Amino acid sequence: DIQMTQSPSSLSASVGDRVTISCRASQTITFYLNWYQQKPGKAPKLLIYSASTLQSGVPSRFSGSGSGTDFTLTISSLQPEDFATYYCQQSYSAPYTFGQGTKVEI
Amino acid sequence: QVQLVESGGGLVKPGGSLRLSCEVSGFTFSDYYMTWVRQAPGKGLEWVACISGRGGNIHYADSVKGRFTISRDNANNSLFLQMNTLRAEDTAVYYCARDGQWLIYWGQGTLVTVSS
Repeated sequence: DIQMTQSPSSLSASVGDRVTISCRASQTITFYLNWYQQKPGKAPKLLIYSASTLQSGVPSRFSGSGSGTDFTLTISSLQPEDFATYYCQQSYSAPYTFGQGTKVEI
Repeated sequence: QVQLVESGGGLVKPGGSLRLSCEVSGFTFSDYYMTWVRQAPGKGLEWVACISGRGGNIHYADSVKGRFTISRDNANNSLFLQMNTLRAEDTAVYYCARDGQWLIYWGQGTLVTVSS
């Protein structure tokens, strides 16, 4: 199975900050990498798929990059509603494993 | 609009069984892969299983292989997860989600608690 490792596990940031979250796969997954946002008590929300394609309705301050084994989620200017936990997921080979999550806190 | 509604969660003893259901509406069910994802209390997301639109292609996480069975009833727009030989570590909120490779639509989740 492909292992997904996110870093950092948590981070503290302020409104307006540029935030970067990394995700590394244990083997190449080409561009089959997705990013989700989850708020407490809610189901996850898809932000980005295929490494860099923004899901419809997601603000343009979110962007994704990378290929192969190393990927990045960037929030260009953190907004109050962005404080949440973020997960990467590989969809290259089943089981489609998730990273352990990155909690973005104030 | 697209809706997914899980049911069937509850309290079960270790070694017991439970069957989760996910009723969907708002799209042609048989056209899409469906996926189960779970989340233990205070923990991250864990991918559990997925099934193709016609049911011919199925995958499981190693942690549930041989104990859980995913299935679907396309005539009734329903997805199922039969969970047998349950363990304490299966305690989680179980979500159903549409699609296989990236999960756009999710249900609200149903809580399964495995405890004596």
